[in-house]
Amino acid sequence: KQEVTQIPAALSVPEGENLVLNCSFTDSAIYNLQWFRQDPGKGLTSLLLIQSSQREQTSGRLNASLDKSSGRSTLYIAASQPGDSATYLCAVGFGNEKLTFGTGTRLTIIP
Amino acid sequence: GAGVSQSPRYKVAKRGQDVALRCDPISGHVSLFWYQQALGQGPEFLTYFQNEAQLDKSGLPSDRFFAERPEGSVSTLKIQRTQQEDSAVYLCASSFTDYGYTFGSGTRLTVV
Repeated sequence: KQEVTQIPAALSVPEGENLVLNCSFTDSAIYNLQWFRQDPGKGLTSLLLIQSSQREQTSGRLNASLDKSSGRSTLYIAASQPGDSATYLCAVGFGNEKLTFGTGTRLTIIP
Repeated sequence: GAGVSQSPRYKVAKRGQDVALRCDPISGHVSLFWYQQALGQGPEFLTYFQNEAQLDKSGLPSDRFFAERPEGSVSTLKIQRTQQEDSAVYLCASSFTDYGYTFGSGTRLTVV
């Protein structure tokens, strides 16, 4: 059974700092990996999708990397802003469309 | 509509009561998914439809859980004889292409 782990569970950083969120998974035979953002009481918003053949994806201040062989992904957020405060979830997919999620990292940006 | 709509947003049920949760996906989205998210946890897969066909229901925790999508659009997740452990947020997502997910805001179910 695929296990997805996210470390740390919670993180607080001052505004303007760069930060890295980590995700690890046990089965490297993934189809792709996604990073989502979840605001309190809201659904999930897809941030970045990395196919298994790719090493990284970028969108604005966000950069996600994927190392399938080691079962790891990182989400890098540059120049953090208070509006980045949310829970960040990574999820892996195996080609049957369903996703296996990690437990998330709760990020707080301190103004 | 512009997004995935779920109703009700909040539901309080007495233990033993039956509940029905509705998901209205984005028009034209073929795939529809239900996930269950317990407090402080990531979402866990429940079931998946492609049009009206339920292709995977391996995540449904017991035979008290039942989902349907009879016309390939709106879906209903039904929970019979609710238990306290059913308390969670139930998320619906739809997609048109592989993994282009759009999630709804969820239904928060509290069983008392």
